[in-house]
Amino acid sequence: GQQVMQIPQYQHVQEGEDFTTYCNSSTTLSNIQWYKQRPGGHPVFLIQLVKSGEVKKQKRLTFQFGEAKKNSSLHITATQTTDVGTYFCAGGPYGGATNKLIFGTGTLLAVQP
Amino acid sequence: EADIYQTPRYLVIGTGKKITLECSQTMGHDKMYWYQQDPGMELHLIHYSYGVNSTEKGDLSSESTVSRIRTEHFPLTLESARPSHTSQYLCASSETNRQNEKLFFGSGTQLSVL
Repeated sequence: GQQVMQIPQYQHVQEGEDFTTYCNSSTTLSNIQWYKQRPGGHPVFLIQLVKSGEVKKQKRLTFQFGEAKKNSSLHITATQTTDVGTYFCAGGPYGGATNKLIFGTGTLLAVQP
Repeated sequence: EADIYQTPRYLVIGTGKKITLECSQTMGHDKMYWYQQDPGMELHLIHYSYGVNSTEKGDLSSESTVSRIRTEHFPLTLESARPSHTSQYLCASSETNRQNEKLFFGSGTQLSVL
């Protein structure tokens, strides 16, 4: 079946350092979404990318969708303690039922003040 | 932000008990989902519904069942709970508009079966 892998599984940074997580799908995706889950919380939608090669920014966060629509990345510039949490990508497969997203394995970000 | 509610927030029960996890949303979304998540792990889709009287099993096999009699309500039932059912259960909903498919999640139910 389709798999969506994320690396790294865990990242520990000093506040102010940059952070990147990578998402790779075994198959081509119709769209990619990113979610953030704070410790003890529920996933919260961050963004959706649809077009090949698309890049979107939200303040310190930059999201990219690969040209082949099989990979994506999330980059955080100058991390803050409020960035702590697990970041999940979720891919929408082609040919599958609408919105049957496949969630990635997640990257847990720890930020030391 | 999201108007999607799950109860109870925490549940500890004994093996063999029947339980129902409640999920309601007031956003008028047609699509609703149940995900199962173990600590620090990814989310696995166990059930979904595209509208009233529509329910489908997800990618992860589950012994639970769901019903969708009303648009706003999507309860999940376990007829006989076992320790292997211990997990967090997250309910979600999304709009019908294909251009904006983001999921709104409830706060989850943390289930512990002893």
